[in-house]
Amino acid sequence: DVKVTQSSRYLVKRTGEKVFLECVQDMDHENMFWYRQDPGLGLRLIYFSYDVKMKEKGDIPEGYSVSREKKERFSLILESASTNQTSMYLCASRAPGRTGELFFGEGSRLTVL
Amino acid sequence: AQSVTQLGSHVSVSEGALVLLRCNYSSSVPPYLFWYVQYPNQGLQLLLKYTSAATLVKGINGFEAEFKKSETSFHLTKPSAHMSDAAEYFCAVESNFGNEKLTFGTGTRLTIIP
Repeated sequence: DVKVTQSSRYLVKRTGEKVFLECVQDMDHENMFWYRQDPGLGLRLIYFSYDVKMKEKGDIPEGYSVSREKKERFSLILESASTNQTSMYLCASRAPGRTGELFFGEGSRLTVL
Repeated sequence: AQSVTQLGSHVSVSEGALVLLRCNYSSSVPPYLFWYVQYPNQGLQLLLKYTSAATLVKGINGFEAEFKKSETSFHLTKPSAHMSDAAEYFCAVESNFGNEKLTFGTGTRLTIIP
């Protein structure tokens, strides 16, 4: 069974803290994604990666960075968390091709106080 | 850029009634379109996808969607709603920039009335 695993389901951090969100997939997919989900706004793409050490900005990259040192792992980093980054974060990996399915993790709900 | 618009952020239907969730796309080229479902406290999973092979696409759990180029629509339907269909539904379009990213709509929350 295919799997995308996000390391933390719930996190509470303070303003200014550095936050790491980890995501691991076991399907050997090249493409991985980080989305942010907010009520009424749907899913918005933060960053994606199409290969190890390769990354591209999505629609809302400000305040975030990413790391992909190994094919199976894609990390989202908040260098200095702010209250407006309180949100649900969803990681996904994608099967090859333009019609490939996205496989999602269960999400990481981050609260920044 | 490709985009999708989901009309209605909340839809309520009675158990056994028809489910209709609307999605319109904006695209200068024939798009690839997807419907995903998110059950409470879970990630998203694929319901169905349009890949130009057939305009009527059947998915899991009895859902289907019809691609209508003249209306730029890809509405999701199910003939008879079940309580287990209560979830949030997202329409998505494949980008035509060759980097294989999807752009999602704002979602429609479906409530089933017993």
